[in-house]
Amino acid sequence: IAGITQAPTSQILAAGRRMTLRCTQDMRHNAMYWYRQDLGLGLRLIHYSNTAGTTGKGEVPDGYSVSRANTDDFPLTLASAVPSQTSVYFCASSDSTSGELFFGEGSRLTVL
Amino acid sequence: GQNIDQPTEMTATEGAIVQINCTYQTSGFNGLFWYQQHAGEAPTFLSYNVLDGLEEKGRFSSFLSRSKGYSYLLLKELQMKDSASYLCAPLDSNYQLIWGAGTKLIIKP
Repeated sequence: IAGITQAPTSQILAAGRRMTLRCTQDMRHNAMYWYRQDLGLGLRLIHYSNTAGTTGKGEVPDGYSVSRANTDDFPLTLASAVPSQTSVYFCASSDSTSGELFFGEGSRLTVL
Repeated sequence: GQNIDQPTEMTATEGAIVQINCTYQTSGFNGLFWYQQHAGEAPTFLSYNVLDGLEEKGRFSSFLSRSKGYSYLLLKELQMKDSASYLCAPLDSNYQLIWGAGTKLIIKP
């Protein structure tokens, strides 16, 4: 089934540890995004990539890094996790022409 | 700055009609999306408006007034499965979506 796959779906992590959230899409979309969603707040953009080989900073990029080595994969790395990074993380992609976003199922991360 | 305003929570009765309003201020405008998000799940696309007026899609309709910075989502013949959060998201001049916190809709029998 075509779509976006995120892994892991859930993770508990000790503060200070490094963590990579994986995201893969098979729709050949150019643009990909990482959002975090916290209770009472809208989705906040962490990083984005308009095409393979390029990335950009969103609204809340600090503490996170991304790479886009190819069209399909867009991993998000927390170099040294902190409790404020406890959140639900959504990866999304779009084909740029319509602007419609397709979301992965989300990764629930708890940093203790 | 950029701002989205929607009610935090609404309650409606099964079979009734509900209108969820959204006002926005963005740097430029390239259309507005509505997404539905069930608890614990990812958002899914409902509608997209780029021109003023009403777009109808089955039980759901979405309206846009660009001059007023206003949109609404109209849900008819409400079903229990419509209990979800509804997210208003305009597209700014950089083609980035600006997300509201969403309106939690509770449907009662």
